[in-house]
Amino acid sequence: KQEVTQIPAALSVPEGENLVLNCSFTDSAIYNLQWFRQDPGKGLTSLLLIQSSQREQTSGRLNASLDKSSGRSTLYIAASQPGDSATYLCAVQNRDDKIIFGKGTRLHILP
Amino acid sequence: DGGITQSPKYLFRKEGQNVTLSCEQNLNHDAMYWYRQDPGQGLRLIYYSQIVNDFQKGDIAEGYSVSREKKESFPLTVTSAQKNPTAFYLCASSIVLVNSPLHFGNGTRLTVT
Repeated sequence: KQEVTQIPAALSVPEGENLVLNCSFTDSAIYNLQWFRQDPGKGLTSLLLIQSSQREQTSGRLNASLDKSSGRSTLYIAASQPGDSATYLCAVQNRDDKIIFGKGTRLHILP
Repeated sequence: DGGITQSPKYLFRKEGQNVTLSCEQNLNHDAMYWYRQDPGQGLRLIYYSQIVNDFQKGDIAEGYSVSREKKESFPLTVTSAQKNPTAFYLCASSIVLVNSPLHFGNGTRLTVT
């Protein structure tokens, strides 16, 4: 059974720093991995989707990488801003089509 | 604006009553999903639908039912058989089932007492 883990559960960093969020998964037979952000009490917003044949995707200050063989993905945020404070979740889509989420990392950017 | 609308935002019910959560999308997406989110837990998949008149159970379908009579609508009924129904419910859609980003609604917080 696929398990998705995000460590740490919470992270605080000063504004302006670059940071990396981690995601690991147990079954490498996936179609893709997605990163989302969630603000308190809201739905999720899709940030990046990496297909299994790809190594990375970039959008603005965000860069996500995927190493399928080791079951790892990272989300790199450059020059962090207070508006980046949110919970970041990763999710993998298995070969049975189901999308499985990690529990997320709560990120707090200190002004 | 295109998007997913979940209503109501907050819902209160007495134990033993069935309740239906609404999810409507105007994105022309084929696939739709229902997730449940509890504090300290990730999202857990309840049901998903690849196309009209077809849906599949997720990991925690017991005590829930869905229908997909129209492409834009995917209502979720929480029945009295669901043992712990109090939760934040999120509806999502994607263009197709595989390799397509998920778009989420803003959720319905259901409280059952």
